[in-house]
Amino acid sequence: DQQVKQNSPSLSVQEGRISILNCDYTNSMFDYFLWYKKYPAEGPTFLISISSIKDKNEDGRFTVFLNKSAKHLSLHIVPSQPGDSAVYFCAATGGATNKLIFGTGTLLAVQP
Amino acid sequence: GAVVSQHPSWVICKSGTSVKIECRSLDFQATTMFWYRQFPKQSLMLMATSNEGSKATYEQGVEKDKFLINHASLTLSTLTVTSAHPEDSSFYICSAPPGPYNEQFFGPGTRLTVL
Repeated sequence: DQQVKQNSPSLSVQEGRISILNCDYTNSMFDYFLWYKKYPAEGPTFLISISSIKDKNEDGRFTVFLNKSAKHLSLHIVPSQPGDSAVYFCAATGGATNKLIFGTGTLLAVQP
Repeated sequence: GAVVSQHPSWVICKSGTSVKIECRSLDFQATTMFWYRQFPKQSLMLMATSNEGSKATYEQGVEKDKFLINHASLTLSTLTVTSAHPEDSSFYICSAPPGPYNEQFFGPGTRLTVL
């Protein structure tokens, strides 16, 4: 049972344009959502997070939007840069533990 | 952010042998650490929660006798893959929580290849 899903396995964007990565979840107990960036053979790097009490969080070029009623979140990167090319995972956590449940990942390719 | 290290970064072993992977929090103490496994082009799957001074908590479907976890100190957790088989070949990553944004800090991972 995949509780966190990223339906787009890959995304290609031109440099300077906006990248929008989407994520859906099914467990209403999740109360914190995070985005990680990952290169092959490396551990994930934390990008940005959002609490379920908010609907938007912004940090530089990265903005995360949360739609609780739709159980959907998205990561916007603008402007996109070639160095942003990587696999992006959304993750969710909630309840008494700090366990992170990861989505399936989206490979972002930013074309120069 | 906090730094988590793993050792070794890669290991190749023969089928039937045991392999130990270390996870260290370098600049902070961690009463809890997590172990994940990632198969090629797949998501990170949580295997177990390592608890300092007590038994690890394993996720459903993960064999606790095969994946032995020891959290002997506040800065070190070890994962031992016992009697490794080729299907255990994977990328193993540890993490330690939580940061100020509820994030976990991940180690660089260990690539295990069982021949």
